[in-house]
Amino acid sequence: EPEVTQTPSHQVTQMGQEVILRCVPISNHLYFYWYRQILGQKVEFLVSFYNNEISEKSEIFDDQFSVERPDGSNFTLKIRSTKLEDSAMYFCASIMEGQRGETQYFGPGTRLLVL
Amino acid sequence: GDSVTQMEGPVTLSEEAFLTINCTYTATGYPSLFWYVQYPGEGLQLLLKATKADDKGSNKGFEATYRKETTSFHLEKGSVQVSDSAVYFCALSAISGGYQKVTFGIGTKLQVIP
Repeated sequence: EPEVTQTPSHQVTQMGQEVILRCVPISNHLYFYWYRQILGQKVEFLVSFYNNEISEKSEIFDDQFSVERPDGSNFTLKIRSTKLEDSAMYFCASIMEGQRGETQYFGPGTRLLVL
Repeated sequence: GDSVTQMEGPVTLSEEAFLTINCTYTATGYPSLFWYVQYPGEGLQLLLKATKADDKGSNKGFEATYRKETTSFHLEKGSVQVSDSAVYFCALSAISGGYQKVTFGIGTKLQVIP
């Protein structure tokens, strides 16, 4: 069964460094998402992406964050200058048509630790 | 905005006990409802879903019924196993500005002891 994959599974970085989290959505899906889960808290929406542009973003997704689909398969989340509070699990998700009732498929997550 | 409220855990049950995890929602539109499960060290997996009122989603012995009148989607299982130990997230999806968006509850940790 097709699945969403994410790399790396874990990343440790120093505060102020740039990180890029990578995702490979399911191949025929058209809508892509990033979510964040701070340890012990709920999963929060960060951004959605369709047709090579951001369709919606949350207030968490400030100027330090950016997303890109550099080729036909990868979908990346970049954090320009990491802060301690960026430590979280980051999930990528994708969906085919974005229709009502469609299931979003999630990747296994990247655990980011900012020291 | 849309929101999901689910009971705080952790919930500790003995094997073969009956499980209920409560979930209620508020939404401006007509959402679809989901339960996702997160096993230790893993990502989010869809457990079950329901897309319209009175629909029942079911999978692996778990069930939840979409109750529009009470805006609820409670998760139930008749006899839990140790392997069901995980965090369970209630979620809704709705179309917002033309795009689908998922809103999650806080998650309920279930621990099943032999």
